[in-house]
Amino acid sequence: AQKITQTQPGMFVQEKEAVTLDCTYDTSDPSYGLFWYKQPSSGEMIFLIYQGSYDQQNATEGRYSLNFQKARKSANLVISASQLGDSAMYFCAMTLTNTGFQKLVFGTGTRLLVSP
Amino acid sequence: EAQVTQNPRYLITVTGKKLTVTCSQNMNHEYMSWYRQDPGLGLRQIYYSMNVEVTDKGDVPEGYKVSRKEKRNFPLILESPSPNQTSLYFCASSLSLVLAGEIGELFFGEGSRLTVL
Repeated sequence: AQKITQTQPGMFVQEKEAVTLDCTYDTSDPSYGLFWYKQPSSGEMIFLIYQGSYDQQNATEGRYSLNFQKARKSANLVISASQLGDSAMYFCAMTLTNTGFQKLVFGTGTRLLVSP
Repeated sequence: EAQVTQNPRYLITVTGKKLTVTCSQNMNHEYMSWYRQDPGLGLRQIYYSMNVEVTDKGDVPEGYKVSRKEKRNFPLILESPSPNQTSLYFCASSLSLVLAGEIGELFFGEGSRLTVL
């Protein structure tokens, strides 16, 4: 079965510092996609970044980058230059190509608190 | 404005009283899905639909029904709600999760917080 593990229930970081949120995944399928979503206190889900299993380079989107280590089955999210507005819940998720990308499996999330 | 709209946003009901949470998207997306979010468990998929009249179970379908009679709508039906269905529910839609190598972003609704007494 496919599984996403986020081992950090909570993380603290000071404003302007970088922070890494951990995500490991478990699948025997060679073709999959990995996502990160942000959920602020208002509750909506905001798409941040995507990495395909065959992508050669790590995905980046502005201050967000995904540290993809395929052999270790990890897809950590790196947020550079943290801002107060980055305080939120962050979810890692995975989908499989052999299901036609029909199922998205989420981790349990990491709550990030950015302090001034 | 592209959006996924869920109603109601908040609902308190009693055990056994049938309810429907509606979901509508205005982006002509084929794929729609329902998730529930519970503390410490993340989001878990309830049902999904690849197109009109095509639906399938996710990981936690027990106690729920769905229908997809029109492309834009994907209601979630709780025939006989129980307290363990108290949760935050999200509807989501996409052209497809990944299409021809491009990212098929999953658009989420704002969530519906349901309490079953």
